[in-house]
Parts: sequence; structure tokens; C-alpha cells
Amino acid sequence: QVQLKESGPGLVQPSETLSLTCTVSGFSLTSYSVSWVRQPSGKGPEWMGRMWYDGDTAYNSALKSRLSISRDTSKNQVFLKMNSLQTDDTGTYYCTRDHPILRFDYWGQGVMVTVSS
Amino acid sequence: DIQMTQSPSFLSASVGDRVTINCKASQNINRYLNWYQQKLGEAPKLLIYNANSLQTGIPSRFSGSGSGTDFTLTISSLQPEDVATYFCLQHNSWPRTFGAGTKLELK
Repeated sequence: QVQLKESGPGLVQPSETLSLTCTVSGFSLTSYSVSWVRQPSGKGPEWMGRMWYDGDTAYNSALKSRLSISRDTSKNQVFLKMNSLQTDDTGTYYCTRDHPILRFDYWGQGVMVTVSS
Repeated sequence: DIQMTQSPSFLSASVGDRVTINCKASQNINRYLNWYQQKLGEAPKLLIYNANSLQTGIPSRFSGSGSGTDFTLTISSLQPEDVATYFCLQHNSWPRTFGAGTKLELK
């Protein structure tokens, strides 16, 4: 069945770089796109960016200068790197499959990231 | 960016009640609106896609309606397991944007 699982550090120092991995199973990264979405505690989600099935990327303009998304199809993994982290980057980070019709149909459990010294 | 205004932010209802949650888009998004349910500590679950299409496996007490800028999620008869936060997603335009969420509790 379709599964996505995020992994990465729970605590990041201010001004440092966040690196997260989304490991997927049950579908191919060359057939489906994967998006990253984050959610500050008590707030609505924010779409961050997308790894297209063909290897192209798209980013939220609000984050584009700090964000990079890449993938390793042989390992079924999508990566997120975001630099210059600040305290308002604290929240839960999700990866989600981006179905062409259903859109975000499957989500990972999320990884909580705290930006603090 | 398209702003999604969701209301109410908080809702308290009794088992068996009919519950409605609304999302208003700042511009026309046609029918490109999804609804999600998120229980505490769990991944979001897709309930409704393209405004009114029920995702496979979702109980029929959930329904969606609307087009253009105004959308509604309806739970026809609230069950205890429906306690969760619900949010909408527009996928008409980039960047995709979400509503802030509605926290649904039992009265």
C-alpha cells in the first residue's frame, strides 16, 4: 500500500539548515509527484514545494530563496533542504503524494521540527 | 496567492448533529477544493476532492458542495470518531493554499 515516511532532526539551531528525507513505498517517484507541506502548531498548513514525477521542481515563492527539493529514485526518497532557519520555521513537516486528480491523497505521519538554541 | 478563509475556527456539536464547515476563496477556484480530516497525532486524511467527490473508503455521512469561491463540508450525523480538525485545500492555482482549520469537538 501507499506509504510515506518523513525523517530528520527534531531540533535545529537558528540560522542552520534543515535536512529532511521522505521515503515512499507503494508507488513510483517517476509516476507521481511529491510535495512538502508544513504546519506550525495551531495554524493551517503551508505548501512548501513539489518534486514533479519528471524530476522538475516547484517552490512556494515565500520560501524559494531558502528551499531546495531533490530526489533519489533508486532509493524512493525525496529530500528537503531549507537554510537560514528561524524560530517561526518551527512546526510539523509532512510529505504528501500529489495525485493528478485527487491532489494530496496520502500523507506521511509528519516530523516535528523545533528551531531553538 | 489565493487566500482560503475557513469558518468557524472552533465547533462544538452533539452526536447525531448535522455539522457544516465553510471555506471561502479570495478568487474563483472552480471546483478545485479538497477537504481533509486530521486527528490528533495522525496524518491528514483526504475526505473530499474536487469539491464534492467522496474519497474511497470515507463514510457517506461526509459530503462536500460548492464551486467558485464558496464551499461547504457537511457531516450529516456527527459520530464520536469525527472529533478532529478539518481543513480545506485549493488546488486551482499555485501556490496551493490551505484554510486555517476547524477544530470539531463533542458537546
